[in-house]
Amino acid sequence: NAGVTQTPKFRILKIGQSMTLQCTQDMNHNYMYWYRQDPGMGLKLIYYSVGAGITDKGEVPNGYNVSRSTTEDFPLRLELAAPSQTSVYFCASRGPGNTIYFGEGSWLTVV
Amino acid sequence: KQEVTQIPAALSVPEGENLVLNCSFTDSAIYNLQWFRQDPGKGLTSLLLIQSSQREQTSGRLNASLDKSSGRSTLYIAASQPGDSATYLCAVMMDSSYKLIFGSGTRLLVRP
Repeated sequence: NAGVTQTPKFRILKIGQSMTLQCTQDMNHNYMYWYRQDPGMGLKLIYYSVGAGITDKGEVPNGYNVSRSTTEDFPLRLELAAPSQTSVYFCASRGPGNTIYFGEGSWLTVV
Repeated sequence: KQEVTQIPAALSVPEGENLVLNCSFTDSAIYNLQWFRQDPGKGLTSLLLIQSSQREQTSGRLNASLDKSSGRSTLYIAASQPGDSATYLCAVMMDSSYKLIFGSGTRLLVRP
């Protein structure tokens, strides 16, 4: 199993541009999550999904959108990027026993 | 609203010392509490998971305790090593969506 895979690892965006962060997991997990981590801070939940076709907002959803058309994939879309969205983004999935598996992160800079 | 606090924010200790990291949370209605390790520029690695009905969990030199009624957890690291240097994050899992609420972490430096 590859676990949770995120792409890209690094990206620089200009203000106003849009992009999609990709996340895929091969563990057949229903629950998936997107978090962001600002420097020196913990992780904050952006969106989550309890299964294909079902998504819901977390603590900090503004400026983001998600979709979940398959169990494997949970992409995060940034519309009209702003400097406040400069952060590290982590995708995660929930496995047996409530163990959470994280991807390696995507470093995004908006200039 | 659940809030998770970790103290201290940073800690520097000499190699071999035993140490305790603290985590507190405001709402005791949790499913579980998890401790993670994060190395610079990397993702999170799960260290220990304590179910709400448990009091502690152990893995090697790590021991995590949970006192749900007082809203506290500690991570005890025995005989610390330079390789233990990392940021340690605690998180509580809430309600049926299994969302994790994170603390800000403790940045640990173990000096040789």
